[in-house]
Amino acid sequence: AQKVTQAQTEISVVEKEDVTLDCVYETRDTTYYLFWYKQPPSGELVFLIRRNSFDEQNEISGRYSWNFQKSTSSFNFTITASQVVDSAVYFCALSEALKTSYDKVIFGPGTSLSVIP
Amino acid sequence: NAGVTQTPKFRILKIGQSMTLQCTQDMNHNYMYWYRQDPGMGLKLIYYSVGAGITDKGEVPNGYNVSRSTTEDFPLRLELAAPSQTSVYFCASSRGDSIISYEQYFGPGTRLTVT
Repeated sequence: AQKVTQAQTEISVVEKEDVTLDCVYETRDTTYYLFWYKQPPSGELVFLIRRNSFDEQNEISGRYSWNFQKSTSSFNFTITASQVVDSAVYFCALSEALKTSYDKVIFGPGTSLSVIP
Repeated sequence: NAGVTQTPKFRILKIGQSMTLQCTQDMNHNYMYWYRQDPGMGLKLIYYSVGAGITDKGEVPNGYNVSRSTTEDFPLRLELAAPSQTSVYFCASSRGDSIISYEQYFGPGTRLTVT
């Protein structure tokens, strides 16, 4: 069965600190996709990144970086030099690629990040 | 592009009332979804659609109904509202593909309270 675990329920950091949000997933599929979404206090969910299971290269986008390690089934998200605008709930999600119909996306429970000025 | 739009943003219903949550996307996406998010929780899939005329149940469909007559619109109907349906409802859409999973684009949400 597929499952996404985000063990950190809430994290607080002081502005300019680096912070890593953990995501551990379970799947029996060899082909799958991983996602991160951001939900700021305004409530709307915003897509951040998609990664397929064959691409283990780490990705960097500005202050954001993602570390994908198949060996540990993890897809961790690091924010460098955090800012108050990074305060949000972050969801990790998993989707199988071989599907009968729709994209069944399993969302993790989310990690609430508070960046204190 | 407006992306995914939802109306209304907020609504208070009395127990037993019915209502329709509207969702429209202008990205020509095949796949559309309805989720609910309870306070402090993740997202639960209510219904989904892989194209006009095709809908199916997600994990929590009881008390809801959907239709998909066009690619753009995917309304969610609540019949006989109950307090357990108090939640934030998100509509989402994504590009459809038989093998590749694409990211979902979400609407701003509808905050529904049933009292």
